Amino acid sequence: AQKITQTQPGMFVQEKEAVTLDCTYDTSDQSYGLFWYKQPSSGEMIFLIYQGSYDEQNATEGRYSLNFQKARKSANLVISASQLGDSAMYFCAMRDLTNQAGTALIFGKGTTLSVSS
Amino acid sequence: NAGVTQTPKFRVLKTGQSMTLLCAQDMNHEYMYWYRQDPGMGLRLIHYSVGEGTTAKGEVPDGYNVSRLKKQNFLLGLESAAPSQTSVYFCASSSGTAYQETQYFGPGTRLLVL
Repeated sequence: AQKITQTQPGMFVQEKEAVTLDCTYDTSDQSYGLFWYKQPSSGEMIFLIYQGSYDEQNATEGRYSLNFQKARKSANLVISASQLGDSAMYFCAMRDLTNQAGTALIFGKGTTLSVSS
Repeated sequence: NAGVTQTPKFRVLKTGQSMTLLCAQDMNHEYMYWYRQDPGMGLRLIHYSVGEGTTAKGEVPDGYNVSRLKKQNFLLGLESAAPSQTSVYFCASSSGTAYQETQYFGPGTRLLVL
């Protein structure tokens, strides 16, 4: 069965510092994708970044990058130059390909990031 | 372009009452989903739809019903609300089911069942 594990319930960082949020996954599929979502205190789920299993380079989107280590089955989110607005819950997710329709996302339990000035 | 919208944003129900949550998307997506988010549990799939007129059960379907009469709308119904259904409900949509397809979420509905 597919599974996403986020082992850091909370992370604390100061402004302008970089922070890494951990995500490990378990799947027997060769083709899969990892997603990161941000959930600020207002509650909405905001898509941040995507990494495909066959992508040769790590994904980057502005200050967000993904440290993808396929052999270790990890897809850690790196936020460079943290800002106060980065304070939020962050979720790692992947498609549930065991479902016949292959549609649902499986989520980790999330990591709360707190950025201080 | 509003993306995915949900109504209402917040609702309080008494045990046994019924209600319907409405999700609408303007991206012409075929696939729509309802999730619930509980503290410490992440998001879990309740029901989903792969097209107009079709629905299927997800991980936690008990106590909920859904309908997809129009492509752009996905309704989640609670026939007899229970305190265990206190949660935040998210609707999402995607254009496909391939592993790289992104799901886009609505703003969520907070439901409190007393």
